[in-house]
Amino acid sequence: GEDVEQSLFLSVREGDSSVINCTYTDSSSTYLYWYKQEPGAGLQLLTYIFSNMDMKQDQRLTVLLNKKDKHLSLRIADTQTGDSAIYFCAESSRSYNTDKLIFGTGTRLQVFP
Amino acid sequence: GAVVSQHPSWVICKSGTSVKIECRSLDFQATTMFWYRQFPKQSLMLMATSNEGSKATYEQGVEKDKFLINHASLTLSTLTVTSAHPEDSSFYICSASGTVKETQYFGPGTRLLVL
Repeated sequence: GEDVEQSLFLSVREGDSSVINCTYTDSSSTYLYWYKQEPGAGLQLLTYIFSNMDMKQDQRLTVLLNKKDKHLSLRIADTQTGDSAIYFCAESSRSYNTDKLIFGTGTRLQVFP
Repeated sequence: GAVVSQHPSWVICKSGTSVKIECRSLDFQATTMFWYRQFPKQSLMLMATSNEGSKATYEQGVEKDKFLINHASLTLSTLTVTSAHPEDSSFYICSASGTVKETQYFGPGTRLLVL
């Protein structure tokens, strides 16, 4: 079945870059996503990448996709304290003609001054 | 754009009562809505997928008679937790997708506590 894995914690100093990694198993995933969840809140879509792309950059965010290794990463440049949150990667999975999302375990990013 | 709201944001109820949670897409038509459940410090688990005007598709292990889903219009889906018990206490999150099917927009979540 589908499985999405992430490391549980990441701690970085303010101003440094953060890199959050994710591995997935469904090679037929069309899209891969990064979501951010702040305490007690829903999920905010940060960015997503089409499976035939290697990289996507959006301001401070850079997504790298290694389809061969089924590895996805999110790099946050110049990390700020406001970036502290849980970050979920997700892969799309086709089921009953609908694209459902399979979420990773989440990585808690803590940014310290 | 692409705002999804949920109501209520939190609810406390007695064991045995039913609770209805609403999910609304405020500025787009949601052809598909999803309901997730999230336990503390865990990931989101998809419960069911609903398309407007048709019956919901439930994930394996989710009791359809316990978690009733209605998607009567393109902007509203409801989840009713029937005869709630303490083990149903959780954070319930909905999401919606419209014509851009690869993108799901999430609501802020509803925290349910069953005493």
